[in-house]
Amino acid sequence: GAGVSQSPSNKVTEKGKDVELRCDPISGHTALYWYRQSLGQGLEFLIYFQGNSAPDKSGLPSDRFSAERTGGSVSTLTIQRTQQEDSAVYLCASTPGLAGAKTQYFGPGTRLLVL
Amino acid sequence: DQQVKQNSPSLSVQEGRISILNCDYTNSMFDYFLWYKKYPAEGPTFLISISSIKDKNEDGRFTVFLNKSAKHLSLHIVPSQPGDSAVYFCAASASYNNAGNMLTFGGGTRLMVKP
Repeated sequence: GAGVSQSPSNKVTEKGKDVELRCDPISGHTALYWYRQSLGQGLEFLIYFQGNSAPDKSGLPSDRFSAERTGGSVSTLTIQRTQQEDSAVYLCASTPGLAGAKTQYFGPGTRLLVL
Repeated sequence: DQQVKQNSPSLSVQEGRISILNCDYTNSMFDYFLWYKKYPAEGPTFLISISSIKDKNEDGRFTVFLNKSAKHLSLHIVPSQPGDSAVYFCAASASYNNAGNMLTFGGGTRLMVKP
């Protein structure tokens, strides 16, 4: 079936603007993760959703970042009042959410550039 | 505090030879380890994983070795092919973690396989 999809693939915005990034997980996957990769860095965990449970937001770098997941499927990551240090590749991953299903499948990412 | 480290930012090998990518971790609670491969402008692709109850897992040309006492794992690619040229990320997860099976990533190693 289809893999994880993300949109837009690229986003250029001006400092101070809000942006929304979208993730469509693999059909049937109940667990969804957001990560970001800044230039020259490894991937950094941001937030985790499992089914209808409250998300784990422990990785969000500031209160300008928020995410929601509607209907247990599509997720939107919102960055308010963007800063230049928010420039990164934002990656979404999903898993079946079953015990032992630890392999995460990633989307292609959204490349965000804040000018 | 980097819990997962890939100390070699790059590695160059000749086609047909063995590629060995290394990864060290500090968190003794990690119990599952994965290797991902990433091409430019694409999301990470899952390669191979290993549970902490094992010390070796093999899949075709790829073998992952885990040394728990040394908190070290390595990925062996034999024989290396030019198409293997990519950035390789080591990742780890801990069952205790509230954020599901969130992954902690190393900084990546860029592998270049020369024809």
